[in-house]
Amino acid sequence: GIQVEQSPPDLILQEGANSTLRCNFSDSVNNLQWFHQNPWGQLINLFYIPSGTKQNGRLSATTVATERYSLLYISSSQTTDSGVYFCAVLYGNKLVFGAGTILRVKS
Amino acid sequence: GAGVSQTPSNKVTEKGKYVELRCDPISGHTALYWYRQSLGQGPEFLIYFQGTGAADDSGLPNDRFFAVRPEGSVSTLKIQRTERGDSAVYLCASSRSGNQNEQFFGPGTRLTVL
Repeated sequence: GIQVEQSPPDLILQEGANSTLRCNFSDSVNNLQWFHQNPWGQLINLFYIPSGTKQNGRLSATTVATERYSLLYISSSQTTDSGVYFCAVLYGNKLVFGAGTILRVKS
Repeated sequence: GAGVSQTPSNKVTEKGKYVELRCDPISGHTALYWYRQSLGQGPEFLIYFQGTGAADDSGLPNDRFFAVRPEGSVSTLKIQRTERGDSAVYLCASSRSGNQNEQFFGPGTRLTVL
């Protein structure tokens, strides 16, 4: 099956700093989503991005499907950005998730 | 509008018991998915419904797990003879139609098997 790898596994930032999270996948996919899982476990949709670049406030994402990777950019990080960030690719009928990046933003 | 809802939010049961977990998808979404998330890992696919039928149940771990969606809306995940290894958060998601659309997740049911 497809492999989805996220890096880095852990990231600690000072409030206000910028960061880039990466998602690599091993096969062609139909689509890609980025999620933020908050401390209560809720998966919050950030981006639905099969290709190209999208921006939403301080967050933006870029997917280069032909090279099998996606990037999530977080600018001017805030403590509320803390949590786990998941990349998930649509492979056949299902989303296949990476192991996530644990982000901690310190004030 | 209302998102995906799941009940109960928490379920504690004893080994060997039967449990049912319920998912109410976003109104109008024809596709429904169940995933399972163990501690420290990403969610893993269990089953996908398109309408009333299970279009892909390849992720169900064994025959103790079964899911239904009789009217094409609410779905129930049923686990027989629960084992301690079944303890996890069970997540439900829905999407507008088919399998190409963005999936939206519910808050999950945390199942603990003692």
